[in-house]
Amino acid sequence: NAGVTQTPKFRVLKTGQSMTLLCAQDMNHEYMYWYRQDPGMGLRLIHYSVGEGTTAKGEVPDGYNVSRLKKQNFLLGLESAAPSQTSVYFCASSYSQLGRDTQYFGPGTRLTVL
Amino acid sequence: AQTVTQSQPEMSVQEAETVTLSCTYDTSENNYYLFWYKQPPSRQMILVIRQEAYKQQNATENRFSVNFQKAAKSFSLKISDSQLGDTAMYFCAFNAGGTSYGKLTFGQGTILTVHP
Repeated sequence: NAGVTQTPKFRVLKTGQSMTLLCAQDMNHEYMYWYRQDPGMGLRLIHYSVGEGTTAKGEVPDGYNVSRLKKQNFLLGLESAAPSQTSVYFCASSYSQLGRDTQYFGPGTRLTVL
Repeated sequence: AQTVTQSQPEMSVQEAETVTLSCTYDTSENNYYLFWYKQPPSRQMILVIRQEAYKQQNATENRFSVNFQKAAKSFSLKISDSQLGDTAMYFCAFNAGGTSYGKLTFGQGTILTVHP
């Protein structure tokens, strides 16, 4: 039972490079989320999706784009990476937006931008 | 907008003792959920316990229990009989339910160290 998986687990980029983080879930969840974790700030929401083909901005969306072409996948893109985007990125999914439905997290991706 | 505050950056406890982690929040919502997540060194986020605001009874999960004070907007986590495996970062989180599309708002986290 894979749950939520993230690819890659680690990545180092140079300023200005681009990359895509892949999140996949096998639980048939409608809702998917991308968070970033920075020291002393907890996790903050970047973008989210309430279903296939739909995306919306979260708390800190600048510099990121997302796509949800398939229900099981949620991609996070960095078009021109900046050192401020050095962080640990978590993907999560849930069956609904209701708090009684657990939000499951992936193992995270540690990204360093030099 | 909701905010979640954890005022204890670090805590430590001896094995088998009890420790309480604090969390306060601010919201204008009436129905919502509160959570405690555990993040061990492996980085995996693990749900420890959840509390629905409409339920007056405090949630418990084995050695973990909460003290939910809705009027004071306080949500503390008590860990009894602490074990070495409880060493982790603990995050308090808030979900406003349908109005927020399930988004979680997290506190800053508390690093808990359990000493043998």
